[in-house]
Amino acid sequence: ELKVEQNPLFLSMQEGKNYTIYCNYSTTSDRLYWYRQDPGKSLESLFVLLSNGAVKQEGRLMASLDTKARLSTLHITAAVHDLSATYFCAVTSGTYKYIFGTGTRLKVLA
Amino acid sequence: GAVVSQHPSWVICKSGTSVKIECRSLDFQATTMFWYRQFPKQSLMLMATSNEGSKATYEQGVEKDKFLINHASLTLSTLTVTSAHPEDSSFYICSASPSGTNYGYTFGSGTRLTVV
Repeated sequence: ELKVEQNPLFLSMQEGKNYTIYCNYSTTSDRLYWYRQDPGKSLESLFVLLSNGAVKQEGRLMASLDTKARLSTLHITAAVHDLSATYFCAVTSGTYKYIFGTGTRLKVLA
Repeated sequence: GAVVSQHPSWVICKSGTSVKIECRSLDFQATTMFWYRQFPKQSLMLMATSNEGSKATYEQGVEKDKFLINHASLTLSTLTVTSAHPEDSSFYICSASPSGTNYGYTFGSGTRLTVV
């Protein structure tokens, strides 16, 4: 059974600081996705990572994928308050069903 | 492109009544759609895979008689929560994707169901 774990579950950080969210999954995966969710809202797509070594960046967020280690990271550079949200990674394996990670609730303090 | 519309955004209903939630792909056809459920401060849990023209595939532990799914066209899937109870109160989200793309699935705006 494919399992996806994220850590940390909660993250409180100061503006301007850097931090990394980790996403581990248990079996071989086709693709890995990162999403953002604001309170009471649905999911916003951030990144789609398709292959080993893939790295994508958008603004202060950068995602990478290491399929051998079954690990993806979401790196936050110089955090700002607007990045406060819950971040989910999700994995597909052999089907189009998503298995979501536990989520990381990020709070950026001014 | 790849817009998924979900309706209603929120609904309050009395215990014992049924509620229907619609999920539409606006600018593409979707042979497969997915329904998720999310409790407060938790992750999304896949409930079922909705297949156009055939029966839905339910995940283990999801009552198919309680959560009726119909996918009668390539742009519309519906989830009906039958005989709703307060424990069914949750955030329900659908997703779909144009076939043959690497964009991943687009998620609907979600439906907040409150059963009183």
